Amino acid sequence: GDSVTQMEGPVTLSEEAFLTINCTYTATGYPSLFWYVQYPGEGLQLLLKATKADDKGSNKGFEATYRKETTSFHLEKGSVQVSDSAVYFCALSSNTGNQFYFGTGTSLTVIP
Amino acid sequence: DAGVIQSPRHEVTEMGQEVTLRCKPISGHNSLFWYRQTMMRGLELLIYFNNNVPIDDSGMPEDRFSAKMPNASFSTLKIQPSEPRDSAVYFCASSGRDRVVAGVVDTQYFGPGTRLTVL
Repeated sequence: GDSVTQMEGPVTLSEEAFLTINCTYTATGYPSLFWYVQYPGEGLQLLLKATKADDKGSNKGFEATYRKETTSFHLEKGSVQVSDSAVYFCALSSNTGNQFYFGTGTSLTVIP
Repeated sequence: DAGVIQSPRHEVTEMGQEVTLRCKPISGHNSLFWYRQTMMRGLELLIYFNNNVPIDDSGMPEDRFSAKMPNASFSTLKIQPSEPRDSAVYFCASSGRDRVVAGVVDTQYFGPGTRLTVL
């Protein structure tokens, strides 16, 4: 079945460091891919999405490119800030069924 | 738009009591999802509705859990009787298009969650 695998955390970075959180997926058909962010004490918020191969989603300095050849959707940011500290979830929505799959989440802590 | 609204935000109850969690989806959305989040198990889908009809409740842990969606603007998740292992944050999410019939993709929008503690 469809699934999402993301790198385990926690990840700790210094401010202004480069961030990569890996996400790979398994799916039949042509899924859409998402990154959600969860700040402490809050619900999940959509960070960015991509609906077809080679699409790049971007928001708040974060980017992710839908790579069908490597079945990946890695999240990147060139220079992280303390305010980026949160849990990041990779997710997939299958268009061959009615399912939405979340990864296990990666906790990011950015230290000044 | 007010976003997805959940109530209460926090609930503390004693084992054996009935708990009812409430959700108001975004107006115009016709799919609604209930999730549970714990440190041990992460984010789990409990049940989802499309056009007020339950489509998949395979994630509902046991008969103590039940969910209803009497109309397009309201849903409840009930636990009766509650147990300490039900302690978690419960999220409601909604999305906009007919994912069952059309098979199209849409984004889920989450509420702030209800933090449930069962003593």
